[in-house]
Amino acid sequence: DGGITQSPKYLFRKEGQNVTLSCEQNLNHDAMYWYRQDPGQGLRLIYYSQIVNDFQKGDIAEGYSVSREKKESFPLTVTSAQKNPTAFYLCASSMGIGFYEQYFGPGTRLTVT
Amino acid sequence: KQEVTQIPAALSVPEGENLVLNCSFTDSAIYNLQWFRQDPGKGLTSLLLIQSSQREQTSGRLNASLDKSSGRSTLYIAASQPGDSATYLCAVNFGNEKLTFGTGTRLTIIP
Repeated sequence: DGGITQSPKYLFRKEGQNVTLSCEQNLNHDAMYWYRQDPGQGLRLIYYSQIVNDFQKGDIAEGYSVSREKKESFPLTVTSAQKNPTAFYLCASSMGIGFYEQYFGPGTRLTVT
Repeated sequence: KQEVTQIPAALSVPEGENLVLNCSFTDSAIYNLQWFRQDPGKGLTSLLLIQSSQREQTSGRLNASLDKSSGRSTLYIAASQPGDSATYLCAVNFGNEKLTFGTGTRLTIIP
């Protein structure tokens, strides 16, 4: 089955710790994205990548980092510098940037206490 | 500022009725508009994608329309079923790398 997988589904961390969220796709898509979802707000873009070894900041990149070493994988690290990291994180992919349909993974709920 | 608005935030409808969900956006120069469904605690499922040059798209009981000049899109659901209960999100690509999302309409179909 083609699709996007995210792991883990739930993640708990103590304040001050870095944590890495996994995103893998087998759709052969060039573009991948990370969004954050908070209650009562629309999804907001954290980072995106158009191609391997390239990525760009989205609207709320502060306190986050990414890498894109393989076409299939786009991990997101939530660092201790992120002031309010508790949220639902969604990974997406598309054939390219702009005109293409975006497909989403099942999400990771991160709770930091 | 490019924004997407969905009103109402919540809607309850008896089973079997047809219904319309609304989405409005502030800039008519869009690449495309995408409707998603989200079940509680889950990811987004893409329902329909309408490109800028299109007026509507259909998939099964779903029909989405696009009117760029008025900055509006509607999602029509025919013969609603309890399984249609979910949050429906509208997202617009305003000609850049990202989708701009509305806050969604939470739909409840009453058996």
